[in-house]
Amino acid sequence: QKEVEQNSGPLSVPEGAIASLNCTYSDRGSQSFFWYRQYSGKSPELIMFIYSNGDKEDGRFTAQLNKASQYVSLLIRDSQPSDSATYLCAVNRDGANSKLTFGKGITLSVRP
Amino acid sequence: ETGVTQSPTHLIKTRGQQVTLRCSSQSGHNTVSWYQQALGQGPQFIFQYYREEENGRGNFPPRFSGLQFPNYSSELNVNALELDDSALYLCASSLGGGPRVANVLTFGAGSRLTVL
Repeated sequence: QKEVEQNSGPLSVPEGAIASLNCTYSDRGSQSFFWYRQYSGKSPELIMFIYSNGDKEDGRFTAQLNKASQYVSLLIRDSQPSDSATYLCAVNRDGANSKLTFGKGITLSVRP
Repeated sequence: ETGVTQSPTHLIKTRGQQVTLRCSSQSGHNTVSWYQQALGQGPQFIFQYYREEENGRGNFPPRFSGLQFPNYSSELNVNALELDDSALYLCASSLGGGPRVANVLTFGAGSRLTVL
């Protein structure tokens, strides 16, 4: 079992729809959870991080964490073509160390 | 405030050669992490430097080594290059040693290494 798994992609949604990106992790000791967006040929940029169970909202983005089920998800409301990118889920076990374990990523395409 | 800068942006080497990649951390950040991202994969943690000491290492052989300097900039050195070392090498800085929120990474644009 991979440490961090993301849905096999790519994911295609129409403009204005909700995109739902899911991620599961195997290490129950994981403490911090991150979503990064990576445009083709560019470096990852942080969208959101979440530490506690439940939802965390930031604009059109909502991160959801369920530690009991070991999954974290990202919802993108009112999807825009500019949201088309690869989304990387990452987890961190040790809060005092910046080692992140990334998933493979899922490519999102928002159709105009 | 300047972001994370990396050099060179692209380079081509042949098998067996050695390479040095450089990274300047974001202003105010004292921790630098290096990641390797192969095509179509997520980044993989190589190692992290905090206050000039290695503070965590991923599953990479000893021919991957690094340094951090007093100004918190860093180098990644790879000896005896292999074809599989071809990847995007990402440097990320953070304000380590503190609460979790301080460990959010800011990535540089990366150095793309091609080994022929």
